[in-house]
Amino acid sequence: KAGVTQTPRYLIKTRGQQVTLSCSPISGHRSVSWYQQTPGQGLQFLFEYFSETQRNKGNFPGRFSGRQFSNSRSEMNVSTLELGDSALYLCASSYRTGDNEQFFGPGTRLTVL
Amino acid sequence: QQQVKQSPQSLIVQKGGISIINCAYENTAFDYFPWYQQFPGKGPALLIAIRPDVSEKKEGRFTISFNKSAKQFSLHIMDSQPGDSATYFCAAPSFRGSARQLTFGSGTQLTVLP
Repeated sequence: KAGVTQTPRYLIKTRGQQVTLSCSPISGHRSVSWYQQTPGQGLQFLFEYFSETQRNKGNFPGRFSGRQFSNSRSEMNVSTLELGDSALYLCASSYRTGDNEQFFGPGTRLTVL
Repeated sequence: QQQVKQSPQSLIVQKGGISIINCAYENTAFDYFPWYQQFPGKGPALLIAIRPDVSEKKEGRFTISFNKSAKQFSLHIMDSQPGDSATYFCAAPSFRGSARQLTFGSGTQLTVLP
């Protein structure tokens, strides 16, 4: 069974631009969670989607948004990029919302110049 | 919001030694405590997990020790190997309304010297 895939793997943007990241969960998984990983803050929860609905949201500004499609694939968007948005963005999938075990993708490394 | 405090931030161990990473949590209602392992360029992967109704769980060289009264849990890596060099995260579930999410510790970068 294929794992969680994320595209692109690397991205370089400049301040003020916007970016869209994509995540394809493991087949059969309907829950997708997004995390931001930085050296100083560790893994910070962004949001979770299940059955195309946002089920939970972390403490991030409204510039961070996401959505989920009927095939469970998810996208995350960051508008008006700031230097501090440079991070590894990880996607994790599970069968259902609230499942204990989450399976992570390799992440998208975003660099904002 | 649930806090999970992890220590140490970094750890250097000789091959064959024991690596110990500690985590403390706040909310006693939690029912699942996983440890994740992350290699450079990869996403975190579940290593081992424990429920609070047991005090210890062992899988190969990896052991979780759980102290419910102290609200602490630890990862022990016996006979540490250079291939164990990675970043380790503890986690605990927290709730926002009815929604459940995992809150992660800040991570421990383990280096096992050959």
